[in-house]
Amino acid sequence: DAGITQSPRYKITETGRQVTLMCHQTWSHSYMFWYRQDLGHGLRLIYYSAAADITDKGEVPDGYVVSRSKTENFPLTLESATRSQTSVYFCASSEPSLPTATEAFFGQGTRLTVV
Amino acid sequence: RKEVEQDPGPFNVPEGATVAFNCTYSNSASQSFFWYRQDCRKEPKLLMSVYSSGNEDGRFTAQLNRASQYISLLIRDSKLSDSATYLCVVSGLAAGNKLTFGGGTRVLVKP
Repeated sequence: DAGITQSPRYKITETGRQVTLMCHQTWSHSYMFWYRQDLGHGLRLIYYSAAADITDKGEVPDGYVVSRSKTENFPLTLESATRSQTSVYFCASSEPSLPTATEAFFGQGTRLTVV
Repeated sequence: RKEVEQDPGPFNVPEGATVAFNCTYSNSASQSFFWYRQDCRKEPKLLMSVYSSGNEDGRFTAQLNRASQYISLLIRDSKLSDSATYLCVVSGLAAGNKLTFGGGTRVLVKP
């Protein structure tokens, strides 16, 4: 199906484990983003990518790693999970059109709990 | 100071009433502005883009004030289904097309 999908939808992991959250989009959008949302907070940007093999840090990148070897995939890895990384993670994609940015489309989110 | 700021609310609104709220942004180079709606921490969905001249979509009206660096959203004839968190989003090509979100304004429409 066309769209943007995240997996898994729910994940419980232990402190210190490595966890990878997957994001896949079928539109061939250039831009992809990872946000986290904590209770009482808005969405905060972790990393984003303007194209395959191009990634950049957002507001809260510490403890996370991303890669983008293919346009359609943008996995987010927590190298050594900590309880403070318990959150809802949203992946998004967009295709900019000059001169303004365009809307972003979001995946359904991954609820991650680190115990 | 946050790049995008919103009153978190909640705004308790009687059904059928009008509610309006603002969002301020700090980056004067911002070019694109959006209102997203989010229900119960589900994925945000675009409500409407905000254009310089202001725009309307049914019961929803968005305005942009570049001089004072704020955007507004007005909801007329509020429905129970309008209860949600409204996220102000600012972007600009100079900022790498990143979308920067405000913390959201919660609206509760009550019978």
